[in-house]
Amino acid sequence: EAGVAQSPRYKIIEKRQSVAFWCNPISGHATLYWYQQILGQGPKLLIQFQNNGVVDDSQLPKDRFSAERLKGVDSTLKIQPAKLEDSAVYLCASSLARSPGANVLTFGAGSRLTVL
Amino acid sequence: AQSVTQLGSHVSVSEGALVLLRCNYSSSVPPYLFWYVQYPNQGLQLLLKYTSAATLVKGINGFEAEFKKSETSFHLTKPSAHMSDAAEYFCAVSQNSGYSTLTFGKGTMLLVSP
Repeated sequence: EAGVAQSPRYKIIEKRQSVAFWCNPISGHATLYWYQQILGQGPKLLIQFQNNGVVDDSQLPKDRFSAERLKGVDSTLKIQPAKLEDSAVYLCASSLARSPGANVLTFGAGSRLTVL
Repeated sequence: AQSVTQLGSHVSVSEGALVLLRCNYSSSVPPYLFWYVQYPNQGLQLLLKYTSAATLVKGINGFEAEFKKSETSFHLTKPSAHMSDAAEYFCAVSQNSGYSTLTFGKGTMLLVSP
């Protein structure tokens, strides 16, 4: 089966600019996750979708970050305006079931953002 | 709240030596526990998971982990390290209920020398 696709793989922007990342999950996976991985740290959940509804966005900085999952398939994560501390790898993952315990998360290769 | 603590940000072993990566968890309910591996410039790949069946879990590439409730631990081991095992390893925990999210530790970088 095809994996989780993400683009772009790399992005360099100036602070206060905007950026968008795209994710295409594995076909049939109802649950989609966006994680932020800062250098030297473990991934941190930003937002979790079940189909096209949000089930957890408690750690999403909503003043600058937004995400959507139209039609319950592809998803876009946007940052506007970007700050230096947003430099990180943004990982998208998907799973069949809503609970990670019931099934495995499959991760994409990530989108590396550098904010100058 | 759930969390994991990985002891040691870096672990160095010689090729052929035992690999031991430590993980301790905190969870108010019985947890699911995972080990993921991340190679440079790649996403995370599942090594193994514990879901309340057998306490000794075998994964891919010769890795295994043992769930010890009394010690709240889920350490990852491999009897003999290979150069290709050099990567970053993440322990993660979730709860087996509702929309449980996966919480990761900070990771341990495994370095393997010839």
